[in-house]
Amino acid sequence: AQKVTQAQTEISVVEKEDVTLDCVYETRDTTYYLFWYKQPPSGELVFLIRRNSFDEQNEISGRYSWNFQKSTSSFNFTITASQVVDSAVYFCALREDRDDKIIFGKGTRLHILP
Amino acid sequence: GAVVSQHPSRVICKSGTSVKIECRSLDFQATTMFWYRQFPKQSLMLMATSNEGSKATYEQGVEKDKFLINHASLTLSTLTVTSAHPEDSSFYICSAKDGRSYEQYFGPGTRLTVT
Repeated sequence: AQKVTQAQTEISVVEKEDVTLDCVYETRDTTYYLFWYKQPPSGELVFLIRRNSFDEQNEISGRYSWNFQKSTSSFNFTITASQVVDSAVYFCALREDRDDKIIFGKGTRLHILP
Repeated sequence: GAVVSQHPSRVICKSGTSVKIECRSLDFQATTMFWYRQFPKQSLMLMATSNEGSKATYEQGVEKDKFLINHASLTLSTLTVTSAHPEDSSFYICSAKDGRSYEQYFGPGTRLTVT
């Protein structure tokens, strides 16, 4: 069965520090998709990235970067030079190719302190 | 980009009444829509999957007679919470799968409060 684990429930860092959010997943499929979403206090989910299982290249988008390692079943997310506006709950999620269901991890609540 | 809307964004209803939440895909046809529930400070839990024109498939533990889902068109799915109780108070989020690109897009959510 598919599963997503975000071991960090809550993280607080001071503005401008770098922070990494961990995500470990389980799946029996060879083809799958990994996602990260941001959920600010408004509640609306903001899509950040999708990665398919055949693409292990790391991705960088501005201050955001993602490290996908199939060997450890991890898909970690790093924010460099964090800002107060980055404060939100971040969800890692998984979808297996056989299925349309997106399964979410429990989320990591990130507090960026001024 | 693809847009999914939900209506209403917030609703307060009295215990025992029913409330309907709409999920619309505004610029694409959604062959499949999904309904999630999120309790405060918790994750999104999939409730059901609905395909246009057919009955919804409910996840284990979700009462299909309590959470009625209708997906009568390729752009609209509705979730009706029947005989709502305070424990049904939650944030309900839908997502819609684009029939062409197979991408999924999430709606902004509906906050339900049952008093």
